[in-house]
Amino acid sequence: DTGVSQDPRHKITKRGQNVTFRCDPISEHNRLYWYRQTLGQGPEFLTYFQNEAQLEKSRLLSDRFSAERPKGSFSTLEIQRTEQGDSAMYLCASSTELRTPLEQYFGPGTRLTVT
Amino acid sequence: AQTVTQSQPEMSVQEAETVTLSCTYDTSENNYYLFWYKQPPSRQMILVIRQEAYKQQNATENRFSVNFQKAAKSFSLKISDSQLGDTAMYFCAFMKHEYGNKLVFGAGTILRVKS
Repeated sequence: DTGVSQDPRHKITKRGQNVTFRCDPISEHNRLYWYRQTLGQGPEFLTYFQNEAQLEKSRLLSDRFSAERPKGSFSTLEIQRTEQGDSAMYLCASSTELRTPLEQYFGPGTRLTVT
Repeated sequence: AQTVTQSQPEMSVQEAETVTLSCTYDTSENNYYLFWYKQPPSRQMILVIRQEAYKQQNATENRFSVNFQKAAKSFSLKISDSQLGDTAMYFCAFMKHEYGNKLVFGAGTILRVKS
């Protein structure tokens, strides 16, 4: 396994700009999760994909947030019209029922700073 | 909704000694899973240990063990023979036994192992 990768690792943007993050899960993993972690807090669930289908979205995911997983492989998370409150670490995780069904493997995260 | 509480923001322990991190949770579910995740400084989160709620026996992974008290909704982590590499943020997490399996995290406990 090469592990879950995320790009970019760091992003600094000005308020009002759009940003897009990418997550590449472990290759055979069909489930993909996005979480947001603010300083000093635990990660909070944002959304979840089973293959290409987005099956659940948190109330934290406002209309400015959109996530996709075309073809059930990599996923993107876009934030439109960023606000300072969007500054956080965005974590991606993946899992599969085929091996350890309950373990989510996390990527290194993308740290977003909105100035 | 489920909640997870970690009441110890920071803990420290001398190398080779034992430390216990506390976690309590609130749920009306009967079937669920509990996890401890470790997040080293600037590194990605990894699973330390997991416990199925239907199992009475406490989980053990090498130097890591849990004390699971279902009635009290308590799930503490004991680290024996602490090592410098154990220095990290530790998160307690809850997962319902359902399709999707999103994680609900506590706020975390920073553990510092001193030489």
